[in-house]
Amino acid sequence: DTGVSQDPRHKITKRGQNVTFRCDPISEHNRLYWYRQTLGQGPEFLTYFQNEAQLEKSRLLSDRFSAERPKGSFSTLEIQRTEQGDSAMYLCASSLNGGLLDTEAFFGQGTRLTVV
Amino acid sequence: AQSVTQLGSHVSVSEGALVLLRCNYSSSVPPYLFWYVQYPNQGLQLLLKYTSAATLVKGINGFEAEFKKSETSFHLTKPSAHMSDAAEYFCAVSDLGNEKLTFGTGTRLTIIP
Repeated sequence: DTGVSQDPRHKITKRGQNVTFRCDPISEHNRLYWYRQTLGQGPEFLTYFQNEAQLEKSRLLSDRFSAERPKGSFSTLEIQRTEQGDSAMYLCASSLNGGLLDTEAFFGQGTRLTVV
Repeated sequence: AQSVTQLGSHVSVSEGALVLLRCNYSSSVPPYLFWYVQYPNQGLQLLLKYTSAATLVKGINGFEAEFKKSETSFHLTKPSAHMSDAAEYFCAVSDLGNEKLTFGTGTRLTIIP
């Protein structure tokens, strides 16, 4: 098992374009989280899934953002009509069932998005 | 709302010296506290977590942290710094039943040879 995998690692896009990122969690991890990290800040929670169900969404996740986990395995995060303020590192994490108090969330290396 | 404040965005210590990274929390309910480390070009890695058992928590790589309710603090320490400890460290808070981690702004630790 190679850990949480995110693709692509880097993405440069023009303002107004749509982008999609993929996260492959550790196999058998049924919880999957998305965070966003801007320069000089800590990661900010965006959303999380238990299997295919999206259980919580942050108010940071505007209507332009959508996340899916169709079969309870990999997840995608799509940003429509990108804005310069969307430039950030997008982090994915996964954990076994049981919550963060009982288990550990393992983070991927992230996808760095630059909107020009 | 829960939050954590990390004092000092940059900390430099000499190799072999004590490492002390500060974290203060604000929470209306008993908090659960975490320290994560991020090495360059790597994902966040859990160092240790406090979940209301022992107030002194030991983690990986020789790090430990003490939960002090009276001071609302959860500072991270290591007796003797090693060059490999150079990284960014994040304190985070959560509460029971909440899967959301709220992170601090991070402290970049530099080790001076």
